[in-house]
Amino acid sequence: IVLTQSPGTLSLSPGETASLSCRASQSVRSSYLAWYQQRPGQAPRLLIFVASSRATGIPDRFSGSGSGTDFTLTISRLEPEDFAVYYCQQYGSSPLITFGQGTRLEIK
Amino acid sequence: QVHLQESGPGLVKPSQTLSLTCTVSGGSISSSNYYWNWIRQPPGKGLEWIGYISYSGNTYYNPSLKSRATISGDTSKNQFSLKLSSVTVADTAVYYCVRAPGSDAFDIWGQGTMVTVSS
Repeated sequence: IVLTQSPGTLSLSPGETASLSCRASQSVRSSYLAWYQQRPGQAPRLLIFVASSRATGIPDRFSGSGSGTDFTLTISRLEPEDFAVYYCQQYGSSPLITFGQGTRLEIK
Repeated sequence: QVHLQESGPGLVKPSQTLSLTCTVSGGSISSSNYYWNWIRQPPGKGLEWIGYISYSGNTYYNPSLKSRATISGDTSKNQFSLKLSSVTVADTAVYYCVRAPGSDAFDIWGQGTMVTVSS
């Protein structure tokens, strides 16, 4: 399954709401889609799994939605630490696992 | 609190074999229903899943690596390892060891180790 993320780069200001898209080339079984945040120089961090469940310790400003082939990560009330790269990942065709190419969220 | 730590050479010559080890603390690699993965990220690029070894010792690899990857586990040391043969400059990347509970997302990541392939 090929995952295509859009936009490639998103420029927003703190306090605004970000909407990141992840589109799959075929339906993701059981909505087994995850989102990760990667800050510069750090390992990725799990934010969302099974499309809409927040991982432990993730603020409720982060929410995931979608099913089938279209998924969205929404970040409300952007904080300075939210500006990072975000990846989606599907594990519905496990054991074959694929990532999207990433969306860079930058400060406007 | 489970912690993963990668170790291994930071520089490998082309055509040689890259070898990395992940030491797991705070949990056992033979704990039921956990999968222990390797994922890499070339400089400035995205993430590529390499493969996994399961709690029971089963392995699976990304077909794109064309059988160059081998993942093994050592339960006595609570470690798992990656060997990648016939490396080229395209294998230069940060390599992460990562845990996945069952058929679920990657919940715990090591800090990553940079491996450069160069003569």
